[in-house]
Amino acid sequence: DSGVTQTPKHLITATGQRVTLRCSPRSGDLSVYWYQQSLDQGLQFLIQYYNGEERAKGNILERFSAQQFPDLHSELNLSSLELGDSALYFCASSGWVSTDTQYFGPGTRLTVL
Amino acid sequence: ILNVEQSPQSLHVQEGDSTNFTCSFPSSNFYALHWYRWETAKSPEALFVMTLNGDEKKKGRISATLNTKEGYSYLYIKGSQPEDSATYLCAFDMDSNYQLIWGAGTKLIIKP
Repeated sequence: DSGVTQTPKHLITATGQRVTLRCSPRSGDLSVYWYQQSLDQGLQFLIQYYNGEERAKGNILERFSAQQFPDLHSELNLSSLELGDSALYFCASSGWVSTDTQYFGPGTRLTVL
Repeated sequence: ILNVEQSPQSLHVQEGDSTNFTCSFPSSNFYALHWYRWETAKSPEALFVMTLNGDEKKKGRISATLNTKEGYSYLYIKGSQPEDSATYLCAFDMDSNYQLIWGAGTKLIIKP
């Protein structure tokens, strides 16, 4: 158990809908990262937050947004969902330096029908 | 475009044999290189963070070396066991810009 929690574990929805994925980092970790893993693809970095502020942005679509709240939990919002958004979404957390290990949550499996 | 290459893409190894695979990354602006182990149906787990040229890290039967001048890292597994079956990912950290660049992984399958 990494100490990072993600909810829900599975999510099935329809095209055009909007969903919110939630992540609680390990106790004491200030950084939260979001990743997408599509079928047969590697980990794609989406976005990072540090202590409530956006720190780095990867290949995140404009239809996706995220935020980190004062209690350090984070939410990833996916809107106008398309079939291709079906993927495993991981959240990871780490300390404040980039050489800190990232601890991954169990992931949320999103299926868009 | 920064690229992190891992080879081979997949590897079948007989139980008890030793094996190794490679992570290649840009040799300029190196800050750190991370290795992760990702078992099927689980989340990636950190193995090593390497920062210095010539670094060698070891955890049990798994070890890693780092050459920042030529831009590669090797991961070695000695005496492979079925529980070593996983995808091994490396991630490159350039200039501490907070964003890791991930390789596609080497999928290791241990044959009993």
